[in-house]
Amino acid sequence: KAGVTQTPRYLIKTRGQQVTLSCSPISGHRSVSWYQQTPGQGLQFLFEYFSETQRNKGNFPGRFSGRQFSNSRSEMNVSTLELGDSALYLCASSLEGSAGGSSYEQYFGPGTRLTVT
Amino acid sequence: SQQGEEDPQALSIQEGENATMNCSYKTSINNLQWYRQNSGRGLVHLILIRSNEREKHSGRLRVTLDTSKKSSSLLITASRAADTASYFCATSSGSARQLTFGSGTQLTVLP
Repeated sequence: KAGVTQTPRYLIKTRGQQVTLSCSPISGHRSVSWYQQTPGQGLQFLFEYFSETQRNKGNFPGRFSGRQFSNSRSEMNVSTLELGDSALYLCASSLEGSAGGSSYEQYFGPGTRLTVT
Repeated sequence: SQQGEEDPQALSIQEGENATMNCSYKTSINNLQWYRQNSGRGLVHLILIRSNEREKHSGRLRVTLDTSKKSSSLLITASRAADTASYFCATSSGSARQLTFGSGTQLTVLP
């Protein structure tokens, strides 16, 4: 099976702009989570989607939002970018569902490196 | 915020030696997982241990979990240069897929 894919891999934006990142989970995985990684704060949970619904949300401002489509692909959006939003954004998928079984292991994509100038 | 701390923050060993990393966490958990990250890339899942398990093995990896002390350790035996990476523990509680990560240990294996 193909792994989790994220696009784009690298992105440079200017303060005040907005950005949309995309994530395609492993086939059959319906849970998609997003994480932000920075040198100062480490790895922090942003939100999790399952069956097109946000199931959990981390402690991030409303500028951070996401959605999930019927094919389980997910996007996250950051509006009004700030310098502090520069980070590696990681998407992870996990198997969940009565038909395909369930697992707590999460499989991560390569990440999108966002730089805000 | 991060669940807990990993210790040591950095570890440098010779190839063939064993590497031990420790993780402490703060709240009750459902399971604890260990991940590896190579130089700013995505995380690779290594092993998951459930809260009712005390020890688990996978190849050269051995993980222990002590829920009374809220701590876990990862042992990598016979380390190789390719094991050089950052290692993170991550916990989850209840049925949520949300992971709370530790601060990570940077392991360097010298050839």
